[in-house]
Amino acid sequence: NAGVTQTPKFRILKIGQSMTLQCTQDMNHNYMYWYRQDPGMGLKLIYYSVGAGITDKGEVPNGYNVSRSTTEDFPLRLELAAPSQTSVYFCASRTSNGGEAFFGQGTRLTVV
Amino acid sequence: GESVGLHLPTLSVQEGDNSIINCAYSNSASDYFIWYKQESGKGPQFIIDIRSNMDKRQGQRVTVLLNKTVKHLSLQIAATQPGDSAVYFCAEILNFGNEKLTFGTGTRLTIIP
Repeated sequence: NAGVTQTPKFRILKIGQSMTLQCTQDMNHNYMYWYRQDPGMGLKLIYYSVGAGITDKGEVPNGYNVSRSTTEDFPLRLELAAPSQTSVYFCASRTSNGGEAFFGQGTRLTVV
Repeated sequence: GESVGLHLPTLSVQEGDNSIINCAYSNSASDYFIWYKQESGKGPQFIIDIRSNMDKRQGQRVTVLLNKTVKHLSLQIAATQPGDSAVYFCAEILNFGNEKLTFGTGTRLTIIP
């Protein structure tokens, strides 16, 4: 099992550009999450999904969009990149209630 | 709104000693709590979890205590080792069914050789 896979690992964007951070899991988990982590800080929830076709906002959703067309994939879209979106982004997935969340290795994004 | 926070941002412990990391949460209705360890440059890793109907849960060298009266969660690490140096986060799910998993600020634990 690969677990949770995020691509790319690193990316530099110019202000105003757009990109999609990919996340895929092969554990057949229903629940998936996107977090951002600024340097020296905790993880802030951007969006989450409890199943294909269902997404919900987290603590810091502004400037981001998500979709969940399959159980495996949960891409995060940045439409107009801003310097404030410079961060490390983590994707995670969980199984049924009470299950631990498994995290990807993160995507380090810099917006200049 | 609900939030999970930590009392101490940094903690230094002598190797071999026990360490205690604390966490306060604000929503007394929360169902489930998890402790994660994050090493530099990596994603968080699960350590131990506890449901709201429990007071204590033990793992290998780790114990989580839940005090619902004062809405306090702690992680005890016994006989600390250099590999325990990391940032530790508590996380919370308000209720099963909603599944919104939120994290506290984190405590940086440094083990002194």
